[in-house]
Amino acid sequence: KQEVTQIPAALSVPEGENLVLNCSFTDSAIYNLQWFRQDPGKGLTSLLLIQSSQREQTSGRLNASLDKSSGRSTLYIAASQPGDSATYLCAVTGDSSYKLIFGSGTRLLVRP
Amino acid sequence: GAVVSQHPSRVICKSGTSVKIECRSLDFQATTMFWYRQFPKQSLMLMATSNEGSKATYEQGVEKDKFLINHASLTLSTLTVTSAHPEDSSFYICSAPAHMVGDETQYFGPGTRLLVL
Repeated sequence: KQEVTQIPAALSVPEGENLVLNCSFTDSAIYNLQWFRQDPGKGLTSLLLIQSSQREQTSGRLNASLDKSSGRSTLYIAASQPGDSATYLCAVTGDSSYKLIFGSGTRLLVRP
Repeated sequence: GAVVSQHPSRVICKSGTSVKIECRSLDFQATTMFWYRQFPKQSLMLMATSNEGSKATYEQGVEKDKFLINHASLTLSTLTVTSAHPEDSSFYICSAPAHMVGDETQYFGPGTRLLVL
């Protein structure tokens, strides 16, 4: 059974810092991996999707990497801003069914 | 990107009543939609897969008679919480993959907060 773990559970950094969020999964046979952002009381916003054949994806100040063989993904946020404060979730799909298995999330606070 | 809406955004009901939540894909068609629930400060747990034109498939431990799902069209799925009880209070979120337009990203609705008194 696939399990997804995210560390740290919470992170507080001063504005401007570069930071890394970690995601690990137990079964390396994934179809793709997605990183999401969730603001309090809101739905999820997709940030980046990495196919199993890809190593990384970039969007603006965000860079996500995938090492499928070791069951790890990282989300790198450059030059963090207070507006980046949110919960970041990673999720994997095991096949083309699109069923997502989520990690428990990392709550990020970027202090002005 | 694609947009998914949910209605209502918030609902308060008395114990024993039924509540219907709608999930709509606004600018794409979705043969499949997913329903999740999220407890405070916890992650999302998949409840069921809603399939247009056929029965929903439920995850282990989810009561199909308790959580009725109907995928009425290619843009609408509904979740009905029947005979709601306080323990059903949660945040319910739907999602849909926009794979019909070549995009495998999953798009999520804004969620529905249910409070059962």
